[in-house]
Parts: sequence; structure tokens; C-alpha cells
Amino acid sequence: EVQLLESGGGSVQPGGSLTLSCVASGFTFSSDVMNWVRQAPGKGLEWVSSIRGDSGTTYYADSVKGRFTISRDNSKNTLYLQMRILRAEDTAIYYCASRGPNWGPFDPWGQGALVTVSS
Amino acid sequence: EIVLTQSPLTLSLSPGEKATLSCRASQSVTNQLAWYQQKPGQAPRLLIYDASNRATGIPARFSGSGSGTDFTLTISSLEPEDFALYYCQQRSKWPITFGQGTRLEIK
Repeated sequence: EVQLLESGGGSVQPGGSLTLSCVASGFTFSSDVMNWVRQAPGKGLEWVSSIRGDSGTTYYADSVKGRFTISRDNSKNTLYLQMRILRAEDTAIYYCASRGPNWGPFDPWGQGALVTVSS
Repeated sequence: EIVLTQSPLTLSLSPGEKATLSCRASQSVTNQLAWYQQKPGQAPRLLIYDASNRATGIPARFSGSGSGTDFTLTISSLEPEDFALYYCQQRSKWPITFGQGTRLEIK
């Protein structure tokens, strides 16, 4: 069964840091383009970041560029999102998702990890 | 960035009726458009990719059409489990963008 399981969410003060993890199983993780997509409470979906299978190419939304870092450890089938200088507007559920080996649509998705930035 | 505008924002229909959801792009995305369904408390689920291809396990009552800037998701006969939020998404150009969503509610 294909599965993505996020962890590492929680509450943090503005200016703080947090790292999310996403463990994959049931597919060839090292081949797939992996991604983070977030959803603020009651709002729509926002793409955050993508990373190629070999970690060679990364992409970021302007809203997080310079503050967030996406990375992966293919030996552990794990995707990461290091988040620094967090702001209230970063409060959201963060989903990891695969785009397959060929930059396709987002499928599958994890269940999400809630990040709350508040003083 | 490519802006995706979905309409209507809310669609009120009864089970058994046909639903037609629209997604318009601010510039051509060729056929690189996907549709997702999201139910409360759940992650989004891929329904349609490349404008008209059903994802694995998606019932035949869901269909997608369009190319360029205008796209449609059609649900031929609504089942109770189809009442949810629907998003379109383009992957033609960075950044990847989503529409604001259409809420399909029971009339």
C-alpha cells in the first residue's frame, strides 16, 4: 500500500523553527518528485516546495523562499521541510505529496501535519 | 504566476443531479490541469489529471474536459459521498497554483 506519513508538527512562536518529516512506503521513493503543499485553516491549497528524486533540483514558493528548506534522505525514504523564521501566516496543515518520477499531478498525499505559529 | 479561477464558488444540487464545475486559467496551461476532491478533515484526493484522465480507482461518473484556459469537471449523477470541496491545479508553469475551490453542497 502506498503511504505517506508526516510528523513533526506543533506549536511554535513567531521567529521560531520547526522541521517536518514525511516517511514514504509502498513505492519507489528515490525516483519520485516529492513536494510540500499547505492549507491554512479554512483556506485553499498552496504549493510550498518540490524536490527532484536525486535531490538535484529544488523549487520554492516566493512566500517561503529563503526561510524554508526542502530535503530528502532516499536511504530512509524520508522527505523533510526545515522551516525557519516562522510567521503567523505560516500556520497551516502541511501535506507531503508525490508527483511521480515525471513531475505529474500530486498523488498520493499524506494525512498532513498541523503547524501553528502563535505567541 | 498563473491564476486559476473556479466557478461557481458554491454549487447546491441534489443526489442524482449532474454537476458541472469550471476552472479558468489566466494563460494557457495546455492540458496540464488536475482536479482534486477534499472532504472535511481529509487530505485532497486526485480525481483527474492531464485535463481528462481519471486517476486510479475514480468512478466513471467523474469526467474532465478542456484545454488551454478553460476546463470542466463533470459529475454525471451525484452520489451522497460526492458532496465535498473540489480544487483545480496547474503544473504547466512554476509556481504550481491551485484554484480557490468549489464547494459542492447538498440542496
